[in-house]
Amino acid sequence: KQEVTQIPAALSVPEGENLVLNCSFTDSAIYNLQWFRQDPGKGLTSLLLIQSSQREQTSGRLNASLDKSSGRSTLYIAASQPGDSATYLCAYHTGANSKLTFGKGITLSVRP
Amino acid sequence: KAGVTQTPRYLIKTRGQQVTLSCSPISGHRSVSWYQQTPGQGLQFLFEYFSETQRNKGNFPGRFSGRQFSNSRSEMNVSTLELGDSALYLCASSPGLAYSYEQYFGPGTRLTVT
Repeated sequence: KQEVTQIPAALSVPEGENLVLNCSFTDSAIYNLQWFRQDPGKGLTSLLLIQSSQREQTSGRLNASLDKSSGRSTLYIAASQPGDSATYLCAYHTGANSKLTFGKGITLSVRP
Repeated sequence: KAGVTQTPRYLIKTRGQQVTLSCSPISGHRSVSWYQQTPGQGLQFLFEYFSETQRNKGNFPGRFSGRQFSNSRSEMNVSTLELGDSALYLCASSPGLAYSYEQYFGPGTRLTVT
C-alpha cells in the first residue's frame, strides 16, 4: 500500500519563525506532488504543484521542494504569520490513475 | 474567475435515505474528482469524471455513484445511507485529466447521517 507520512502531526511556533514541513512517500512513480492548506471546516486551498521533473517551486513566502529518489518533499514557510495557522497536506498523483494520495496533514499554529 | 462551488454546504439525513451532492467546476475545467474526508481515514478518492465518463473509481461500495453533465457539472449520489457515511465531501476540478493538472477544490458538503 502506497503511503504518505507527515510528521509531526501538530506544530506550534512563534510568529516570525522560518519553518519546514516534511512529507515522505513510498511510491517512486509519482507524476506530481501538490501542497494544500485547509482551514478548519473548509475545503482545500492549493499552494504549490511540483511536477516530477522539477526540483522546487516558489510562491511568495512559500517554497516547496521534491526529491523523488529519497521519497521526500518539504514545504518551507518564511517569516511565519498567525494567518498561516492551518492544516497543511501534501498529496501526489501517479500517472496510473486519477487519485491524489494524501497524507494526514500537519496542523500548524503560529503564536502572535 | 469563480472557484469550484458545491451545493448544498450542509446536509442532515437519516440512515437508509439517499442523498445527491452537486459540484460546479471552474469555468473551462473538464475534469471533476470527488473525495471523502473523515477524521479517521483522512482524504480518500471516490471517482473522477472527464468528458461525462467515469475514468477511475476508488475503493467504495456501489452505493456511491456519480455522473457528469455536458457542461462539466457533476453530481454524486449515495444511496442507503449509513452512519459511517458522515463526512466532508469535497470535489476538485482541473482543466484536463486529473493526474496531469493542479487540482482546485471546492468548500465541501458536510453530510451528517443520524
